[in-house]
Amino acid sequence: GAGVSQSPRYKVTKRGQDVALRCDPISGHVSLYWYRQALGQGPEFLTYFNYEAQQDKSGLPNDRFSAERPEGSISTLTIQRTEQRDSAMYRCASSTRSGGGTGELFFGEGSRLTVL
Amino acid sequence: GESVGLHLPTLSVQEGDNSIINCAYSNSASDYFIWYKQESGKGPQFIIDIRSNMDKRQGQRVTVLLNKTVKHLSLQIAATQPGDSAVYFCAEKMSNYKLTFGKGTLLTVNP
Repeated sequence: GAGVSQSPRYKVTKRGQDVALRCDPISGHVSLYWYRQALGQGPEFLTYFNYEAQQDKSGLPNDRFSAERPEGSISTLTIQRTEQRDSAMYRCASSTRSGGGTGELFFGEGSRLTVL
Repeated sequence: GESVGLHLPTLSVQEGDNSIINCAYSNSASDYFIWYKQESGKGPQFIIDIRSNMDKRQGQRVTVLLNKTVKHLSLQIAATQPGDSAVYFCAEKMSNYKLTFGKGTLLTVNP
């Protein structure tokens, strides 16, 4: 597709379940980011990939959160043993620029996670 | 810790007026700044960017001003239109890949 695609758009799960959120970046974009956005707040950095390498995961809240991008394209953000505080909009973004460069981030529509 | 913030959480203007959205940043090491527009239910959309070696940059109906002395960034929108109604975020980057966003300003354009 022309833009960053995320799925599912909406996910409702029960506390304690695992969830996997998928991001399909713009074709050819080498950089991929995961952000989390609370209502009325700016996106908060979670993790960054340069091709398939996860170069920064400092924003992941705890070890229940993990992300991968095994072939340097599609990425999955996994949250294990979900808790209510994990409820948020999870946004993926991609960029043509490799780490250290400037450049526009293209954001997806996001995955809205609700943990009951 | 250092962060990006906004002076005004909401701004209401009349259609046709000029809008000014302000942002204060505290990290002097930041060398690149971006303004994003986010409409309801959508992801942030790039508006305009500016490097720290510049103090002004103009786009179509938008101008970004950077004052490094007081660590202030502003977005000016000329002849504001109803379609400009959205939340606007400033973001900073510190010579690496990580973009740090501020809290956002809600712009409402009254017809």
